[in-house]
Amino acid sequence: NAGVTQTPKFRILKIGQSMTLQCTQDMNHNYMYWYRQDPGMGLKLIYYSVGAGITDKGEVPNGYNVSRSTTEDFPLRLELAAPSQTSVYFCASSYWSENIQYFGAGTRLSVL
Amino acid sequence: GENVEQHPSTLSVQEGDSAVIKCTYSDSASNYFPWYKQELGKRPQLIIDIRSNVGEKKDQRIAVTLNKTAKHFSLHITETQPEDSAVYFCAASDTGTASKLTFGTGTRLQVTL
Repeated sequence: NAGVTQTPKFRILKIGQSMTLQCTQDMNHNYMYWYRQDPGMGLKLIYYSVGAGITDKGEVPNGYNVSRSTTEDFPLRLELAAPSQTSVYFCASSYWSENIQYFGAGTRLSVL
Repeated sequence: GENVEQHPSTLSVQEGDSAVIKCTYSDSASNYFPWYKQELGKRPQLIIDIRSNVGEKKDQRIAVTLNKTAKHFSLHITETQPEDSAVYFCAASDTGTASKLTFGTGTRLQVTL
């Protein structure tokens, strides 16, 4: 099993550009999450989803959007990139009854 | 919402010594407490977790203790090895809210020879 797969691994954006960070999992997990990790800091929850068609905001949702049309995929959209969105983004998933979250390898994003 | 504080932010120990990292949480409804290890440039990986109905859990050289009354939990690593060098994060979750994790700010552990 591949687990949680994120693409791209690295990306440089100009201010005002938009992009979608892709996340897919093959473990048939119900729950999926997006976190951002700023240098030297812990992870902060951006958005999460408890199943296809259901999403909700986390701690730091401003500037981001998500959708969940399938169990497997949970893309994160940045509409108008700002330097404050420079960070490492991690996608994670878990099975509803187990709580354990499995993380993807991350996407390192720089906005210049 | 939940708030998790983690101490110390950096910890240096000699190989073979023990290391202890402490976390406190604010929400008494939290009932799941995982610990993640993150090596430089890598993804966080779960190393041990504990649920609120258990006071202590051990897995080889790693143990976690939980004091629900005081709302704190700790990670203990014995007989440290150079490969234990990494950043360790504690987290807390109320499993009734989609298992959302609130993370501490991390402890950078350096094991020296």
